[in-house]
Amino acid sequence: NAGVTQTPKFQVLKTGQSMTLQCAQDMNHNSMYWYRQDPGMGLRLIYYSASEGTTDKGEVPNGYNVSRLNKREFSLRLESAAPSQTSVYFCASSIQGAVDTQYFGPGTRLTVL
Amino acid sequence: SQQGEEDPQALSIQEGENATMNCSYKTSINNLQWYRQNSGRGLVHLILIRSNEREKHSGRLRVTLDTSKKSSSLLITASRAADTASYFCATDAGQGAQKLVFGQGTRLTINP
Repeated sequence: NAGVTQTPKFQVLKTGQSMTLQCAQDMNHNSMYWYRQDPGMGLRLIYYSASEGTTDKGEVPNGYNVSRLNKREFSLRLESAAPSQTSVYFCASSIQGAVDTQYFGPGTRLTVL
Repeated sequence: SQQGEEDPQALSIQEGENATMNCSYKTSINNLQWYRQNSGRGLVHLILIRSNEREKHSGRLRVTLDTSKKSSSLLITASRAADTASYFCATDAGQGAQKLVFGQGTRLTINP
């Protein structure tokens, strides 16, 4: 049981480049989440998927898109990266919504130059 | 805006002492959760307390919830160096909520 996995672990982009962050979970969870964490800050929700086939905006969705590819996988795409998107990105999953524990991946450290 | 806000922002104590962190929130909740984050790592769930519960224990952790004051506290007893981490509270937004909102966290340092 790998839990929640994220790729890549580190990434450096130039302003304007695009990339996709991958997330997968093997716990048969229905809900998946993407957060960003800036230095010394808590987590801010970017997008979430309450169940397969649905996605909704979180607190800070601008500049991002998501795809719930199947029940296991939830990807986050930056179409045109900006320095303000330099952050650590965490993916998480839960059995169903906010009533259950969330399990987090190890994070992706993204730097946009 | 943050649903949960932790206090203090930073706490430094000696090994063996107890550490208390507080969390306040603004709207009605179904549950409140506490998570720990070691430096550079993902968050790890510690404890979930439901709105109809007042106190919950897990090992050296004790969580209380006062829904009338919209506040919770996390007590770590007999602290160890390995407890050094950031601690976050997270709340849902009541019935049917699909997402959690995290506070900014308390950075706890345990000095040997």
